[in-house]
Formats: sequence, C-alpha cells, structure tokens
Amino acid sequence: DVQMTQSPSYLAASPGESVSISCKASKSISNNLAWYQEKPGKANKLLIHSGSTLQSGTPSRFSGSGSGTDFTLTIRSLEFEDFAVYYCQQYNEYPLTFGSGTKLEIK
Amino acid sequence: EVQLVESGGGLVQPGASLKLSCVASGFTFSDYWMSWVRQTPGKTMEWIGDIKYDGSYTNYAPSLKNRFTISRDNAKSTLYLQMSNVRSEDTATYYCTRERVAPDYWGQGVMVTVSS
Repeated sequence: DVQMTQSPSYLAASPGESVSISCKASKSISNNLAWYQEKPGKANKLLIHSGSTLQSGTPSRFSGSGSGTDFTLTIRSLEFEDFAVYYCQQYNEYPLTFGSGTKLEIK
Repeated sequence: EVQLVESGGGLVQPGASLKLSCVASGFTFSDYWMSWVRQTPGKTMEWIGDIKYDGSYTNYAPSLKNRFTISRDNAKSTLYLQMSNVRSEDTATYYCTRERVAPDYWGQGVMVTVSS
C-alpha cells in the first residue's frame, strides 16, 4: 500500500495568514492526489484533485502543488470558514490511501 | 444537487452481520463508480472499496476483502455495503462517495458501533 505522510497534524493560524500542509507518498503517485476538507456536520468536500486542479466551487485562495511523492496544499489569506480538518488522498493505485489529517485551528 | 444518504448503522454485536445502504440523488447513479470509506473514532480514514458503474467489478482493501461486500442497485440508485463477522475494530463512521477522478462527493456518514 502507498503510505501517505501528512504534516503537520495540527496548525494554528490567524485569519488573513497563509498556511501550507504537506503530504508525502511512500512511492510515486504521479499527480493522482486529492485534498479534502472536513467540517463538523457537513459532508467532506473535495477541494483539489490531480494534485493542483481546483474542484468547481473551491475558492482561489486554495492551491495545490507537487507531483511524484511530495505535495502541498496552500491556503492564502485564511478566512474563518477555512478552519477545519484537511486530508490528502492518493488515488494512483489500489487500495486508495489517506493522510492522517491536519487540524487547522484559529490562533 | 448531489446527495448521498447513508443508513443502516447502529450498535451490533461482534461476529454479527450488518448491511449499510446509500441512496443517491441529483445525478445519474448508473454513470459513476461508487465507493465506501470509513473513519475510525481516532479519525483515521480508510478506503474500503469501490464498484464499477454497472456493478460488474469491485475492488477492496485487502484487509477487508474477505468480510465486506459492495453491491449496487442502479434501478434504486442505491449502494450497499454488506459487513460480516464484524469486529470491534470495525467501529467507525461509514461514508459512501461518488468517484470521478477522485471521490468528489461524500455522504454525511453513518455510525457503526461493534460492541457486546
């Protein structure tokens, strides 16, 4: 299985700041990586697929980069609604696997 | 609006069987691969498996393949997860997802607790 190592597990920031979350795959997954947002009481939301392609409806302050084994989710100018948990997921090969999540909290 | 609504969860004893359902709406169900994902109480996400749009092919996480079965009824726009010989480690929230490139829509999940 492809192991996905996500860091940090916890991140505190203030509205207006920018943050980055890292996701590293144990082997190359090309650009077959997605980022999700999890918020209480809401369905998980796909933010980015193919490493850097914004899903329809994802605000432009979100961006994804990377390919192969190293990927980054960046959120610029944080808004209150962005404080949530974020997961990466590889879909390059079965079984699909997830990172361990990053909880983004307000500082 | 795409909606996925899971049901069938609850408290179940170890060794028992349970069948989860997911009713889909807002899209042509028979056009999409669908999958199940679970999240443990410790928040670990685990992909369970997926099923081709016509039900002719399935993939499973190797660790679950012998106990879990995914099926679908396209006439009812419903996805199923049959769980057998459940264990305490199967305690989790179970989500159905629609797959398009990556899983792009998720249900809100249904909780399954395995305990005597």
